[in-house]
Amino acid sequence: EAGVAQSPRYKIIEKRQSVAFWCNPISGHATLYWYQQILGQGPKLLIQFQNNGVVDDSQLPKDRFSAERLKGVDSTLKIQPAKLEDSAVYLCASSLDGVGRPHCTFGSGTRLTVV
Amino acid sequence: AQKVTQAQTEISVVEKEDVTLDCVYETRDTTYYLFWYKQPPSGELVFLIRRNSFDEQNEISGRYSWNFQKSTSSFNFTITASQVVDSAVYFCALSGINSGSRLTFGEGTQLTVNP
Repeated sequence: EAGVAQSPRYKIIEKRQSVAFWCNPISGHATLYWYQQILGQGPKLLIQFQNNGVVDDSQLPKDRFSAERLKGVDSTLKIQPAKLEDSAVYLCASSLDGVGRPHCTFGSGTRLTVV
Repeated sequence: AQKVTQAQTEISVVEKEDVTLDCVYETRDTTYYLFWYKQPPSGELVFLIRRNSFDEQNEISGRYSWNFQKSTSSFNFTITASQVVDSAVYFCALSGINSGSRLTFGEGTQLTVNP
């Protein structure tokens, strides 16, 4: 089974620029998550999708972050404009919920550096 | 609200020593799941174990063992006869029955195993 695919692997941008990250979940996984992991901290949920609908985006800084999941498969997370404090690893994960035993598979992440 | 606390920020041991990583959690859910993930230097999050709140039986898997105590809200992880390859950041995480696979992570414990 192919894992969760993310690209790019690394990105360096200047503050106030925009950036986009892409995620392709495991085939058949209805639920998709974006987490932000700042260096030295645990991952924190930004947004959760169920198919192409948003379940929870309470922690997403909506003034600069946006995310979409068209057709309930791939997802894109965008930051515009970026700030220095957005430097982090952005992890995408997917899960096959509704089967009684939650299990989340993570991608390798995109490491963003804002200079 | 859910919270996971990993009080040990960094642990350093010599190869073949046993080491225990502590995890304390808070939740109002009566049914929930607890997880441990490993994050090696390469950055991906590797799933180690999932436990549901109804099952307090301790588990052993090779050199790994887990001690779940509902009375103290703890889910500790022990590595027996540690090896250099065990060096990584270890995260404890929690999801509630209504959260699906949406995870609340602790801040992580950096384990360094020295030869």
